[in-house]
Amino acid sequence: QSALTQPPSASGSPGQSVTISCTGTSNDVGRYNYVSWYQQHPGKAPKLMIYEVTKRPSGVPDRFSGSKSGNTASLTVSDLQAEDEADYYCSSYAGTIQVVFGGGTKLTVL
Amino acid sequence: QLQLQESGPGLVKPSETLSLTCTASGGSFSSGTYYWGWIRQPPGKGLEWIGSMYYSGDTYYNPSLKSRVTISVDTSKNQFSLKLSSVTAADTAVYYCARHSMVGANFDHWGQGTLVTVSS
Repeated sequence: QSALTQPPSASGSPGQSVTISCTGTSNDVGRYNYVSWYQQHPGKAPKLMIYEVTKRPSGVPDRFSGSKSGNTASLTVSDLQAEDEADYYCSSYAGTIQVVFGGGTKLTVL
Repeated sequence: QLQLQESGPGLVKPSETLSLTCTASGGSFSSGTYYWGWIRQPPGKGLEWIGSMYYSGDTYYNPSLKSRVTISVDTSKNQFSLKLSSVTAADTAVYYCARHSMVGANFDHWGQGTLVTVSS
């Protein structure tokens, strides 16, 4: 069970869009439509932003969207705002109640 | 509204056992609709799933930690617990308890986290 691969950093200017990738294998991301994305501000607990690849929990702005192609999932943040600056983590179900997280991406709003 | 709170010693000596408890308010571990898990985050690093359990007692662990981890539940106290044995400095981390869905294992409620330092 290896960690999912995310770029360490991403950035964009206010109003722009940015996409963060999350690459796994055919045993996790590629096999199940159970990819989640979490936002974590410094010193805070992670917050669920996307689940089951594309679904948003109540209260999450529709500026956040998810997608998947093969073994790679993506999180897109549109119309970037200052408060979007945070660390983002993906996770995937990996079978029989096994979960694997990505290494995290630091999103900077320029 | 469900709230989760971790508690336990903030300092553990090398080779000893780390023990943490997660207490739920505004919800019940016995509801049968969710799993309950532990996740940790070493300082400045990413998240690592430790393991999860169902209220019935069924447990599931990260293979890399399985030999050292025990997760248990006390439904009468609405608490579930983590024990990690033979700790080393590499186990220093913020430990979170969280609830996740039965399908897809997305963690929708998290505790605030508690820092555990392994040091003599």
